[in-house]
Amino acid sequence: EVQLVESGGGLVQPGGSLKLSCAASGFTFSGSPMHWVRQASGKGLEWVGRIRTKTNSYATLYAASVKGRFTISRDDSKNTAYLQMNSLKTEDTAVYYCTRLWGENNAFDIWGQGTMVTVSS
Amino acid sequence: DIVMTQTPLSSPVTLGQPASISCRSSQSLVHSDGNTYLSWLQQRPGQPPRLLIYKISNRFSGVPDRFSGSGAGTDFTLKISRVEPEDVGVYYCMQATQFPWTFGQGTKVEIK
Repeated sequence: EVQLVESGGGLVQPGGSLKLSCAASGFTFSGSPMHWVRQASGKGLEWVGRIRTKTNSYATLYAASVKGRFTISRDDSKNTAYLQMNSLKTEDTAVYYCTRLWGENNAFDIWGQGTMVTVSS
Repeated sequence: DIVMTQTPLSSPVTLGQPASISCRSSQSLVHSDGNTYLSWLQQRPGQPPRLLIYKISNRFSGVPDRFSGSGAGTDFTLKISRVEPEDVGVYYCMQATQFPWTFGQGTKVEIK
């Protein structure tokens, strides 16, 4: 079965850190660019960032709102992508989704169920 | 950044009747490779988003043919020919032509 499963969410204080994981199965993970998208409660979708494949040097790119604080990485041997979040702010509170990019069509064809991150004191 | 503007933000529809959602981008979504990377996503209540349409008008695998996409340049439309109960949710357009990739605000489709 094709799926993405996020984990690692939780409650963290402002200024704290959290690392999310996204475990993939049922497709060739190593050949798939991976993205993170977040959604604050009752709000719309916001693109967070992406990591390309080994062929493209694992290049990363981030939204301005998280650049310098968030880092995306991947371990193809574990079929897992990661989102390291540092210096967290209350406005980072959201459900975080990992999603696979269907490269030739620049569309997100596989989504995880999401993991909730709450930044609060 | 490219701003994606959807209208309406809410669409009460009678079952079996059509629904239409408009999405306008602040600049052309034609990529330098000639493609237009405009997709539509559906998010049912309590669920993650799901891909419906990619590159303006291509239905993703398993998507019913009552969903159709059209448009060009900066103006795009998602149509549901006959709304079914399972179509209730929020619909987003998304541009993947220029980073940062951006989404519309979402249009809530609900049954009257």
